Amino acid sequence: DSGVTQTPKHLITATGQRVTLRCSPRSGDLSVYWYQQSLDQGLQFLIHYYNGEERAKGNILERFSAQQFPDLHSELNLSSLELGDSALYFCASSVWGTNTDTQYFGPGTRLTVL
Amino acid sequence: GESVGLHLPTLSVQEGDNSIINCAYSNSASDYFIWYKQESGKGPQFIIDIRSNMDKRQGQRVTVLLNKTVKHLSLQIAATQPGDSAVYFCAERRSQGNLIFGKGTKLSVKP
Repeated sequence: DSGVTQTPKHLITATGQRVTLRCSPRSGDLSVYWYQQSLDQGLQFLIHYYNGEERAKGNILERFSAQQFPDLHSELNLSSLELGDSALYFCASSVWGTNTDTQYFGPGTRLTVL
Repeated sequence: GESVGLHLPTLSVQEGDNSIINCAYSNSASDYFIWYKQESGKGPQFIIDIRSNMDKRQGQRVTVLLNKTVKHLSLQIAATQPGDSAVYFCAERRSQGNLIFGKGTKLSVKP
């Protein structure tokens, strides 16, 4: 158990819908990262937040957004869902978000878009 | 282009043997690398990391080797056990802190 929690574990929805994925980092960690894992693209970095502020963006679609709240939990919002958005979504947390930090991953949310 | 990739998609070893998983990277400016293990239905689990100023680092039953000349990274697992069966990813840390992952190697351990 990494100490990072994600809810829900599974999510099934229809195209065009909007969903919210939730992540709680390890106690004391200030940084949260979101990654998408699909069969064809592998593990891809989406976005990084540090202490409530966006730090870096990766391959995140405009239909996707995220935020980190004062209690440091983070939410990833996916809208206008398409079949291709079906994937595993992981969040990871680290203490500072620097090169020397180890990122610990949560168990993931499996999103299925029908 | 910038990428981190693996030489072999699958590896099958006998229980008790040593396993070697390879990884090639293309960004010569990369200075920090990590190996993760992902079991079915779980998130990636940190195994070991290495900085570019090192060429070898050892953990419990695992060793990571870094060859900067050929931009190659390997993970050695000693006395492989059934519990080691998983997909192994190498990852490169970017300056913003995010990870760039390779495609993964599936390790199967035969009893």
